[in-house]
Amino acid sequence: AQSVTQLGSHVSVSEGALVLLRCNYSSSVPPYLFWYVQYPNQGLQLLLKYTSAATLVKGINGFEAEFKKSETSFHLTKPSAHMSDAAEYFCAVSDTDTGFQKLVFGTGTRLLVSP
Amino acid sequence: DADVTQTPRNRITKTGKRIMLECSQTKGHDRMYWYRQDPGLGLRLIYYSFDVKDINKGEISDGYSVSRQAQAKFSLSLESAIPNQTALYFCATSDDRQGSSYNEQFFGPGTRLTVL
Repeated sequence: AQSVTQLGSHVSVSEGALVLLRCNYSSSVPPYLFWYVQYPNQGLQLLLKYTSAATLVKGINGFEAEFKKSETSFHLTKPSAHMSDAAEYFCAVSDTDTGFQKLVFGTGTRLLVSP
Repeated sequence: DADVTQTPRNRITKTGKRIMLECSQTKGHDRMYWYRQDPGLGLRLIYYSFDVKDINKGEISDGYSVSRQAQAKFSLSLESAIPNQTALYFCATSDDRQGSSYNEQFFGPGTRLTVL
């Protein structure tokens, strides 16, 4: 079964600093991978997704992620953090057993941005 | 208007009560999902439905039931609520047709449920 591991339940950065949120996946076949963001008191919103078209995926709000098969990783980065980036971020992998239509989520990483 | 709506947004109930959470969508998607979110545990799948006649248990279906009344409506019921069902509940939809949003799930705003 597919799974994802997000390292670090909380990550703190200063405004303007690099953001790096880590995600490692487990899948026996090439997966579909996703990053979702949850702002306070809101639902989840898709940041970006990997569907095998390109290993470097660009998403909304300046975020990007690189698929590295050799490392089974799909880390999320942003060159310069903004206060508005403070939120919880979830990595997810598609469940190939159901034709990619189920998602398995990681436990989330809360990003804290200080002035 | 929001594409995926959930009612109620907040609910406080007592142990043993029956409660229903409702989800409606205007996206025209066949596939709908119910998740619960708990701090430190991420989102866990309760039930999912790939069309009106297809309903499947997720990883944590015990204590829950669902009804897919129409393509656009998917309800989650707690027959006899217990305190450890206190959580944030999300409904989501996805499109089973190949296209730019294929395999992406679209989430409602959530229902915060407290069971006393």
